[in-house]
Amino acid sequence: QVQLLESGGGVVQPGGSLRLSCAASGFSFNNHGMHWVRQAPGKGLEWVAVISYDVRNTYYADSVKGRFTISRDNSENTVFLQMNSLRAEDTAVYYCAKDKRKYHGEFDYWGQGAPVTVSS
Amino acid sequence: DIVMTQSPDSLAVSLGERATINCKSSQSVLYRSDNENYLAWYQQKPGQPPKLLIYWASTREYGVPDRFSGSGSGTDFTLTISRLQAEDVAVYYCQQYYDTPGTFGQGTKVEIK
Repeated sequence: QVQLLESGGGVVQPGGSLRLSCAASGFSFNNHGMHWVRQAPGKGLEWVAVISYDVRNTYYADSVKGRFTISRDNSENTVFLQMNSLRAEDTAVYYCAKDKRKYHGEFDYWGQGAPVTVSS
Repeated sequence: DIVMTQSPDSLAVSLGERATINCKSSQSVLYRSDNENYLAWYQQKPGQPPKLLIYWASTREYGVPDRFSGSGSGTDFTLTISRLQAEDVAVYYCQQYYDTPGTFGQGTKVEIK
């Protein structure tokens, strides 16, 4: 069965950095795009970033462009989100999500989420 | 960016009755080359990640009960729960994946009346 397991969340001061990981299993990882989606406390879903199945294409929400970097290791079935220059408004649960297609599709599996708190 | 607007923000429905959620996109999400609407619906229960219910606007994901149905085309879409069950209490989101970023609606909270 498909599993997505996020790790790396935690508490960080404003201006700090965190690196989230999402270990995938149960499907052909290198055939699917992978996304990060976040949800601030009590709020709705906000798409953050996507990386295509072949690593060639990445896209970011305007709110994180220039600060966050998505990457993947197809040999390790893992996707990463490097978050730099963190702000209070980045506080959220970060979900990794599997694209049903190469990178432009709907999200058919989600991880349980990694909580990130940016606070001094 | 394509803006997705859901209505209502919340609704309370009696058990066994119909619940209807609307979603409107700021531009068409119908892809002419394949005649598919790039629109999905998700269900999120408290403390859980979202779950895909519907894609291509009207195709139920495997394992989703047939009381859930999606309809619409272009810019106007509807999610219908035909006979509300207690386990359907959740927040429901529409999402367009026609363009990047894949924007979500603000969510509709469904409760039992």
